[in-house]
Amino acid sequence: DVKVTQSSRYLVKRTGEKVFLECVQDMDHENMFWYRQDPGLGLRLIYFSYDVKMKEKGDIPEGYSVSREKKERFSLILESASTNQTSMYLCASSLPLGSGRANTQYFGPGTRLTVL
Amino acid sequence: QKEVEQNSGPLSVPEGAIASLNCTYSDRVSQSFFWYRQYSGKSPELIMSIYSNGDKEDGRFTAQLNKASQYVSLLIRDSQPSDSATYLCAAPLVYNFNKFYFGSGTKLNVKP
Repeated sequence: DVKVTQSSRYLVKRTGEKVFLECVQDMDHENMFWYRQDPGLGLRLIYFSYDVKMKEKGDIPEGYSVSREKKERFSLILESASTNQTSMYLCASSLPLGSGRANTQYFGPGTRLTVL
Repeated sequence: QKEVEQNSGPLSVPEGAIASLNCTYSDRVSQSFFWYRQYSGKSPELIMSIYSNGDKEDGRFTAQLNKASQYVSLLIRDSQPSDSATYLCAAPLVYNFNKFYFGSGTKLNVKP
């Protein structure tokens, strides 16, 4: 079974803090994604990575950065947390196009971040 | 038009009935569709995918893709209270298969 884990289930931070959210997958997937989910807005893509050290902006990258130094790990960084970044953050991974069940994304349990 | 659109619901059906969930899409997404189920407070989990025009069945679930009308549906037969969840439709962009768009989800309530 694919397993995607996230470092924290719940996190409370203060405005201006630098926040790190970690995601690890154990299925040797090339693709990894970070989304945020807000009521009424659905899932919105922040960043994704299709290989180590490779990244591409999603729809809402402002205020975020990412790091992928190893294939299994994809980190989301909030450079200076703000209250409007309070949200549920979901990490996902998938095989690239052309492999078996291409494009199916497997999600981690999520991190509910509150910025005070 | 958004890339993928869903009616937010809630959709209420009695136990044992057929629940029909719909999703429309724009020309900007490829015709590979994924249905996810998300229980409250949990992360999305894949139910099924569909790539070809027509129907695809998996147990109580049937996905239907109509490319001419640009909609994809998920039918749940013999609905159970445990099916109560939010159902998300997703598809990748035509020009970037790594970039997915998710609908905002339809909340389904199955009443005992």
